Amino acid sequence: KAGVTQTPRYLIKTRGQQVTLSCSPISGHRSVSWYQQTPGQGLQFLFEYFSETQRNKGNFPGRFSGRQFSNSRSEMNVSTLELGDSALYLCASSPGTGQYNEQFFGPGTRLTVL
Amino acid sequence: AQSVTQLDSQVPVFEEAPVELRCNYSSSVSVYLFWYVQYPNQGLQLLLKYLSGSTLVESINGFEAEFNKSQTSFHLRKPSVHISDTAEYFCAVIRGGGFQKLVFGTGTRLLVSP
Repeated sequence: KAGVTQTPRYLIKTRGQQVTLSCSPISGHRSVSWYQQTPGQGLQFLFEYFSETQRNKGNFPGRFSGRQFSNSRSEMNVSTLELGDSALYLCASSPGTGQYNEQFFGPGTRLTVL
Repeated sequence: AQSVTQLDSQVPVFEEAPVELRCNYSSSVSVYLFWYVQYPNQGLQLLLKYLSGSTLVESINGFEAEFNKSQTSFHLRKPSVHISDTAEYFCAVIRGGGFQKLVFGTGTRLLVSP
């Protein structure tokens, strides 16, 4: 099975712009979660989508949004970029059902905001 | 709310020496515990997990961790490290029966030198 893929791998934007990141989960997985990794804040949960619905959300401003398509692929959007949004954005996929589902991470998209 | 504490931000060790990476968690409910490893410019890989049953869990590459409920700890150990073990290690928890949001510690960088 192919793993979780994220595109693009690297991205450079300037303040005020918006950006869209994409995540393709493992085939058959219906849940996609997004995490932000920064040196200062570490790994923080952004949101989770399951069957095209946002199921849970972390403590991030409304500039961070996402969606999931019928094929379970997910996109994350950040509007009005700030310098502090520079981070590695990781997505993780899992089956999404049951008591526990192992999450499989993609390689991440490194976003640099200038 | 759950939280995870990794007291050591960096652990230097010589090749073939033993190592212990410490992890303590706090939670008022039962949790599942994990160790993830992150190599440079890569995503997170699950190293091992404790869901239930035996409190000692092992990975395929020689790492082990022991769940200690009374001390709320889940320390990671390896009796003999290799240069290739150089990476960042994250301890994480998921609340049992709840939503699959991973709460991560701040990470420990393991530096193995010859």
